[in-house]
Amino acid sequence: SQQGEEDPQALSIQEGENATMNCSYKTSINNLQWYRQNSGRGLVHLILIRSNEREKHSGRLRVTLDTSKKSSSLLITASRAADTASYFCALDYGGSQGNLIFGKGTKLSVKP
Amino acid sequence: SAVISQKPSRDICQRGTSLTIQCQVDSQVTMMFWYRQQPGQSLTLIATANQGSEATYESGFVIDKFPISRPNLTFSTLTVSNMSPEDSSIYLCSVERLDEQFFGPGTRLTVL
Repeated sequence: SQQGEEDPQALSIQEGENATMNCSYKTSINNLQWYRQNSGRGLVHLILIRSNEREKHSGRLRVTLDTSKKSSSLLITASRAADTASYFCALDYGGSQGNLIFGKGTKLSVKP
Repeated sequence: SAVISQKPSRDICQRGTSLTIQCQVDSQVTMMFWYRQQPGQSLTLIATANQGSEATYESGFVIDKFPISRPNLTFSTLTVSNMSPEDSSIYLCSVERLDEQFFGPGTRLTVL
């Protein structure tokens, strides 16, 4: 399957703690993107990391990519209740279609 | 980024009827994508819509059930035809810009 697999499926932490979510895949990618989806809302693009990049930061978010292990991680530091959402990794295999393959997501719950 | 709007934001429909969802982008884009997110699931690509040509459908999706129009570079419609309760989902359009995909807010469809 070309779908990414997120781990864990669900994560519950206290406010202020860090949250780490992982995404593994099986074949080479062009880039990998992380999205957030709040309950009942649309998708919000968080970070894109290209296959030749190893780490990217955006505010409290840190994404790493290990192409040798075919895995990526999303770290949210100093989590807040507002971070409660589902987080998806999406794989771009390149080519002419340009579509993304989404994983099943990690449901993060941050308790105040 | 891209500003994408969808209409309607939600609808409740009767079995056997059809619903047309509109997607408007704030600037011209070559490719627009339509995704479906069934309850509790991740996103699945339905089709890719290029202006001036027929949409390309993914496995499991057919034009008779999900006809798509792409009359210009900023607009597309997806019709869900002859609906059944299994079509209850969130439908999202998205566009690609500089390798990143941006999503509309989604249309939440409930079929009774």
